Amino acid sequence: AQTVTQSQPEMSVQEAETVTLSCTYDTSESDYYLFWYKQPPSRQMILVIRQEAYKQQNATENRFSVNFQKAAKSFSLKISDSQLGDAAMYFCAYRTTSGNTPLVFGKGTRLSVIA
Amino acid sequence: GAGVSQSPSNKVTEKGKDVELRCDPISGHTALYWYRQSLGQGLEFLIYFQGNSAPDKSGLPSDRFSAERTGGSVSTLTIQRTQQEDSAVYLCASSLGIAGAAQYFGPGTRLTVL
Repeated sequence: AQTVTQSQPEMSVQEAETVTLSCTYDTSESDYYLFWYKQPPSRQMILVIRQEAYKQQNATENRFSVNFQKAAKSFSLKISDSQLGDAAMYFCAYRTTSGNTPLVFGKGTRLSVIA
Repeated sequence: GAGVSQSPSNKVTEKGKDVELRCDPISGHTALYWYRQSLGQGLEFLIYFQGNSAPDKSGLPSDRFSAERTGGSVSTLTIQRTQQEDSAVYLCASSLGIAGAAQYFGPGTRLTVL
């Protein structure tokens, strides 16, 4: 079974600075998908970024980018120019390519942004 | 367009009562998922539906939990004889019926069992 590990329960960053959230996963599959979701206090899970394992190029969405290291099974999220609105729980998630299987989530990292 | 909606937003019930939680997915999404998020924890998969196929119930924690999806759209998660350990946020998500499609989540239902 696949597992996802987020080793940083809490992180903080100064406004306008850059922060990196770590995620590692365990799988025996060669093709899969990885995601980062953001959950603000409103509870709504918001998709931040998606990476397809067969693509070597790291995904980027505005101020959010990933460092995908397939051999190391690592999928970190970098947030540049941090804003107060980035404060939230961030979840890393894994999904196989087999049909519409559910996501496997890490336990999350709580990010605080300091003004 | 409209996102995933869930009702009620919050539900307080007494131990032993039955509850029903509703999810209305994004129009055109054939896959629907239920997850549970306990305090300070990640998301735990409960059940998912894909089109007209039999649902995958492998994540349901006990036979007190059941779910149905009517007409390939709205889904209801039912918890019978609720226990205090059932207290959690129940999240619903939907996605297109293609491999690797991103899941879009509703705002969740916070269930409190007294």
